[in-house]
Amino acid sequence: DAGITQSPRHKVTETGTPVTLRCHQTENHRYMYWYRQDPGHGLRLIHYSYGVKDTDKGEVSDGYSVSRSKTEDFLLTLESATSSQTSVYFCAISEGRTGELFFGEGSRLTVL
Amino acid sequence: GIQVEQSPPDLILQEGANSTLRCNFSDSVNNLQWFHQNPWGQLINLFYIPSGTKQNGRLSATTVATERYSLLYISSSQTTDSGVYFCAVGDSSYKLIFGSGTRLLVRP
Repeated sequence: DAGITQSPRHKVTETGTPVTLRCHQTENHRYMYWYRQDPGHGLRLIHYSYGVKDTDKGEVSDGYSVSRSKTEDFLLTLESATSSQTSVYFCAISEGRTGELFFGEGSRLTVL
Repeated sequence: GIQVEQSPPDLILQEGANSTLRCNFSDSVNNLQWFHQNPWGQLINLFYIPSGTKQNGRLSATTVATERYSLLYISSSQTTDSGVYFCAVGDSSYKLIFGSGTRLLVRP
């Protein structure tokens, strides 16, 4: 199994509070991704990283920011959480630009 | 962008039956992957198969890139095969586009 750890795994927060989700990998893969999964929308890419300090937006990036200061860690931040950001968030990694994608176990976020 | 369509949306099988899941895509791709999401929500990579055929135990997959489709075969299905199967495709970018999935229920 790919060594990907997401934290926290479950979080309940209130509208307007900041939230940070962490993804930690032990595979030394260059590429890291944050997806969200919602009923009726499937899996959608939020942000991705192609190296330390190199990040770019995905298809649903509004309201989210990311940072990658080390190869092994990719952080997703919701500056001011909204109820529409209630979702299951998955981190993923790949070795190459078009390589196999491996997912973490997911983080369930509820924004009240 | 690339469109991905999976069929059927839902499938119910009796244990031991075989099935074929289909993924159609609208443009040339250089990345195609199949995933299984189990009932506990874990996403497992099954195949990386932008072209050709691969087999892994009771599962196999074939991608015909020139005709823009991929097939996932499940033989002798087991209850543990239940879940949602996703196809995801990508072009020259980093971004994979996921289909809406096929929900499979295998009954004992």
